[in-house]
Amino acid sequence: GESVGLHLPTLSVQEGDNSIINCAYSNSASDYFIWYKQESGKGPQFIIDIRSNMDKRQGQRVTVLLNKTVKHLSLQIAATQPGDSAVYFCAENRRAAGNKLTFGGGTRVLVKP
Amino acid sequence: GAGVSQSPSNKVTEKGKDVELRCDPISGHTALYWYRQSLGQGLEFLIYFQGNSAPDKSGLPSDRFSAERTGGSVSTLTIQRTQQEDSAVYLCASSLASGSGAQYFGPGTRLLVL
Repeated sequence: GESVGLHLPTLSVQEGDNSIINCAYSNSASDYFIWYKQESGKGPQFIIDIRSNMDKRQGQRVTVLLNKTVKHLSLQIAATQPGDSAVYFCAENRRAAGNKLTFGGGTRVLVKP
Repeated sequence: GAGVSQSPSNKVTEKGKDVELRCDPISGHTALYWYRQSLGQGLEFLIYFQGNSAPDKSGLPSDRFSAERTGGSVSTLTIQRTQQEDSAVYLCASSLASGSGAQYFGPGTRLLVL
C-alpha cells in the first residue's frame, strides 16, 4: 500500500555537526514532498518542500534531497543547533488525492551540547 | 501575518460528554484539514475542506466525529459521546489550493477524556 516511512526513530547529533534525516516512500505518483518540524507541545512547522521533478532544494541551513530511483528522501541540517531538537516528519502530497498529506512516523533529533 | 489558531488549547472532559474544537485558518487559505495525533505518534488525517466542495470525511474514525466549516473560514470539530481512546492532540491546518499544498498547522487542542 501507499506509505511514507522513516528509517531511524531517534537521531543524536553533536551541536555543530550536520544532521541527516531519512525517509522512504512507496508512492511514485507523489507530486511534492514536505518536511515538518514539531517541537514539544507545538503543532508541526513547515520547513521545506520539494517538487517530485527536482533532485535537490536548499533553504536556510537545510537541504532536501530526493532520489526517485530508490524512493528516498532526506533532510540535511547544517551546523545543528540546540533549537533543532524536535521530531521531524516527512510527508507526501498527491494533488490527485485532494492535497491530503500522508505523513511518515517521525524521527526525533536530539542535539547534544 | 497571523497563523492558524485553535481553541481551546486544552480540554478535559468526562467520558460520554460532547466536545467542540475550533479552528481559525490563515486568511485566504481555501483548504482546511483536521488531524489527530496520539502521544508519540504521527498524524492521522480526519477530514478535509476545500472551498465550497463537499468535505472529504474519509478519515473520521466513527460517526461520533463530525466537522463543519462555516463561511469558508472557521471550522468546528465535534466529538459526541467521547471515549477515553479519543484522548489525543487535535491539529488543524490550512493551505492554499495551489503550489505544493504545504499545510500550515495550528498549535493543537489537547483533549483528555477521563
